[in-house]
Amino acid sequence: GAVVSQHPSWVICKSGTSVKIECRSLDFQATTMFWYRQFPKQSLMLMATSNEGSKATYEQGVEKDKFLINHASLTLSTLTVTSAHPEDSSFYICSASGALSYEQYFGPGTRLTVT
Amino acid sequence: GESVGLHLPTLSVQEGDNSIINCAYSNSASDYFIWYKQESGKGPQFIIDIRSNMDKRQGQRVTVLLNKTVKHLSLQIAATQPGDSAVYFCAEKGPTDSWGKLQFGAGTQVVVTP
Repeated sequence: GAVVSQHPSWVICKSGTSVKIECRSLDFQATTMFWYRQFPKQSLMLMATSNEGSKATYEQGVEKDKFLINHASLTLSTLTVTSAHPEDSSFYICSASGALSYEQYFGPGTRLTVT
Repeated sequence: GESVGLHLPTLSVQEGDNSIINCAYSNSASDYFIWYKQESGKGPQFIIDIRSNMDKRQGQRVTVLLNKTVKHLSLQIAATQPGDSAVYFCAEKGPTDSWGKLQFGAGTQVVVTP
């Protein structure tokens, strides 16, 4: 299957700071990327869908000004958590899909801890 | 579906036995389904998928069954191994979402015992 990477794999930041998480598709062109968050022992909750070159579509209840998503190329999407607070601590996972299949290829996730 | 609570359903299976993991999906019009495996601290890994025009699909050691009448999906794992211990999620795609947006189920924790 296709390879998707995320960077960093974990990050600790202070409350009020911003954190950027990168998601890269390494061996295919990702026309669509998805960002999820996952709390312990819970399912994946979709935050937003982004298509290359377009604005992201956010799920209900997800603040677009707090979770900034950029999908500037077919291989890179970024999620910036602005003014992070302890309640933003979570496991953030991206996935990518190409034009020919609905299958989503997931990154390894980023563990964010806000102190 | 929306996940609630902090306790995943758990399926305990003896090594070598067959596992059956069940999933009730929410949208009767969903046209595509996937099973994912997630190990602790990692991203989900694709296992097998099935389209709504099929009722069964087989892979290596895994079989997915789809019963559209009762909106039920199951994953069967043959000869379960310790490496199969993980959380398993089913996911469905609605017919109107051309981008392939998926709705994930709550997940089932599979524990393989020796």
